[in-house]
Amino acid sequence: AQSVTQLDSHVSVSEGTPVLLRCNYSSSYSPSLFWYVQHPNKGLQLLLKYTSAATLVKGINGFEAEFKKSETSFHLTKPSAHMSDAAEYFCVVTPVYNFNKFYFGSGTKLNVKP
Amino acid sequence: ETGVTQSPTHLIKTRGQQVTLRCSSQSGHNTVSWYQQALGQGPQFIFQYYREEENGRGNFPPRFSGLQFPNYSSELNVNALELDDSALYLCASKGGNSPLHFGNGTRLTVT
Repeated sequence: AQSVTQLDSHVSVSEGTPVLLRCNYSSSYSPSLFWYVQHPNKGLQLLLKYTSAATLVKGINGFEAEFKKSETSFHLTKPSAHMSDAAEYFCVVTPVYNFNKFYFGSGTKLNVKP
Repeated sequence: ETGVTQSPTHLIKTRGQQVTLRCSSQSGHNTVSWYQQALGQGPQFIFQYYREEENGRGNFPPRFSGLQFPNYSSELNVNALELDDSALYLCASKGGNSPLHFGNGTRLTVT
C-alpha cells in the first residue's frame, strides 16, 4: 500500500529565509515521488519528480528535494523564500511500476512574511 | 503544446440535480483522471480512464461516473447531487509514465 504524510499543515517563513516542507511516504514497492504546488483557486503545477534516478532532484523556481530511502522521506527545500512562493504544496507518491494511482498528502500551506 | 483545460470554471447546482464536467487532455496524453478536492483538503482520486475504458477507481459511489472519448477528452458526471459534493474537481492527464498534468479545475457548489 502507498501513503503520504505531510508533517506540517502550515509553515510560515520570512522572505529570504530557507523553506523546508516535510514529507514521509509509505510504499510497498519502489516509489516515484512528486511535489506539486497549488495557488489559490488554481490547479496543481508540478514542481519536481523523483523516479529512481538521482536522489537529489532539482525542480522549478529554485526548489529541490532529496529522496532518502532509509528515512522514507522526500522533503522539499528552497534556500531563499520569495513572496510568490506562498501557496499550498502537495507531496505525491505512486508505485514506480504502475503510474496509474497517485496518492496525495494532505498538503502544507506555506506563508511567506515580508 | 495545449495544456489541460476544464469547463466550466464555476457551477452552482441544487441538491438532487445532475452535473456534467468536461476536460480536454493535454496534447499527446491518452490517460485522464479526475480528483475531488474539498475545501482545505488534498485531492482525492475519483477514477481514471485509459483509451476510453475506466482502469482505476477510488472510494466514490456509483453516482460518480465518467466517459472518455476517442480524442481522449473526458466527462465527469455526478447524479443526485449532495451538499458534500461541493468541491473543486480537478482533471489531470498523462501519457505513459509521465507525471500528472492538471487543469485549473471546476468549482462546484451544491446548495
